[in-house]
Amino acid sequence: DGGITQSPKYLFRKEGQNVTLSCEQNLNHDAMYWYRQDPGQGLRLIYYSQIVNDFQKGDIAEGYSVSREKKESFPLTVTSAQKNPTAFYLCASSIFGDTQYFGPGTRLTVL
Amino acid sequence: QQQVKQSPQSLIVQKGGISIINCAYENTAFDYFPWYQQFPGKGPALLIAIRPDVSEKKEGRFTISFNKSAKQFSLHIMDSQPGDSATYFCAARRMDSSYKLIFGSGTRLLVRP
Repeated sequence: DGGITQSPKYLFRKEGQNVTLSCEQNLNHDAMYWYRQDPGQGLRLIYYSQIVNDFQKGDIAEGYSVSREKKESFPLTVTSAQKNPTAFYLCASSIFGDTQYFGPGTRLTVL
Repeated sequence: QQQVKQSPQSLIVQKGGISIINCAYENTAFDYFPWYQQFPGKGPALLIAIRPDVSEKKEGRFTISFNKSAKQFSLHIMDSQPGDSATYFCAARRMDSSYKLIFGSGTRLLVRP
């Protein structure tokens, strides 16, 4: 079953805690992206990576960090510096410069 | 700042009717305009996309109309069905090396039986 997987589906974070969201793809896509979705708003880009071992900040990178050690994987860490992390997080991938395809999402809630 | 403005925020249509969602952009440096469909709790799925050298693209009941001079594009859903009830996002892709997508704020469509 090819595609993009995200885990966990639901994640709860305590104040001051770092959490890591997983994103894996087996589509052999070069580029991977992380978006944040809040109710009533469009998707906002957090980080993106066009090639292994390289990534760029998106529009709302503060309080987040990423790594791209493997082509298939692009984990996102939500750090304690992110003051309002409750949101739906979406990972996407694409062949470089082509259409982006999205994973099923992770819903993060701060307790 | 580059923006994509989407309207309406929500839309209610009777089964069999036409749903129309509009988007407008403020920067000419976009080269690709996809529409995504998202069901609650799921990731967005690509529905249909258009490039600026084409004025219209149709796939089944879904049609994109593109007006380059007005910097506007719209999605038409013909013969709308209850299963079409979802949130729809338009997007525009930057024509630079980043290939970043700029998303509209979304339209929540409800198709009544």
